[in-house]
Amino acid sequence: QLVESGGGLVQPGGSLRLSCAASGFTFSKYNMFWVRQAPGKALQYVSEISYNGGGTYYGNSVKGRFTIFRDNSKNMLYLRMGSLRPEDTAVYHCARRAEYDIWSDGHYMDIWGHGTTVTVSS
Amino acid sequence: DIQMTQSPSSLSASVGDRVTITCRASQKISTYLNWYQHKPGEAPKVLIFAASNVQSGVPSRFSGSGSGTHFTLTISTLKPEDFATYYCQQSYSGPPTFGQGTRLEIK
Repeated sequence: QLVESGGGLVQPGGSLRLSCAASGFTFSKYNMFWVRQAPGKALQYVSEISYNGGGTYYGNSVKGRFTIFRDNSKNMLYLRMGSLRPEDTAVYHCARRAEYDIWSDGHYMDIWGHGTTVTVSS
Repeated sequence: DIQMTQSPSSLSASVGDRVTITCRASQKISTYLNWYQHKPGEAPKVLIFAASNVQSGVPSRFSGSGSGTHFTLTISTLKPEDFATYYCQQSYSGPPTFGQGTRLEIK
């Protein structure tokens, strides 16, 4: 399972670090995602990290402000969020990437956490 | 980025009804299309991957079809626990992108 933590209320321009604790599977074998849902809005991809941390990818709305990283020795995924804006207010979910076609990029998100709430407001 | 558009945005139906949700991609994505169910306060749950493959543990009343730019999710006989929001998501290229969601409500 995946359990997120670290959300809270932060002022615009502030920073926050989210955590995601993984259990029940070999964490170091999987790429991981952060996906968010703003109030009343759809799910939105935030970031992805490769199984060994060697590759990191970001959505355009967070590029340059957020950093994804992981500690495989602790089965932990993180999201460091900086220069926060009101539009970053959302529930943040971590999710595991499952591959169904190793010859292409075919994948889906097979395990999700319940999420942690981030509110950016003065 | 590839844009995903779902229809309808909301849908009222009764227990026992057959329901179909449509998802269109802004460009051809072969069958790199997944469907998720999301209930408030819960973790999203994958239902269908690669357009038509039912995830292990998902009831057989859920099915998916389509390829290219047009996809559908069908629930054959609605049960009370199926009232939720449903999202399609492409994994063909670039960042994964989701549709805007279809909220399925009890009539």
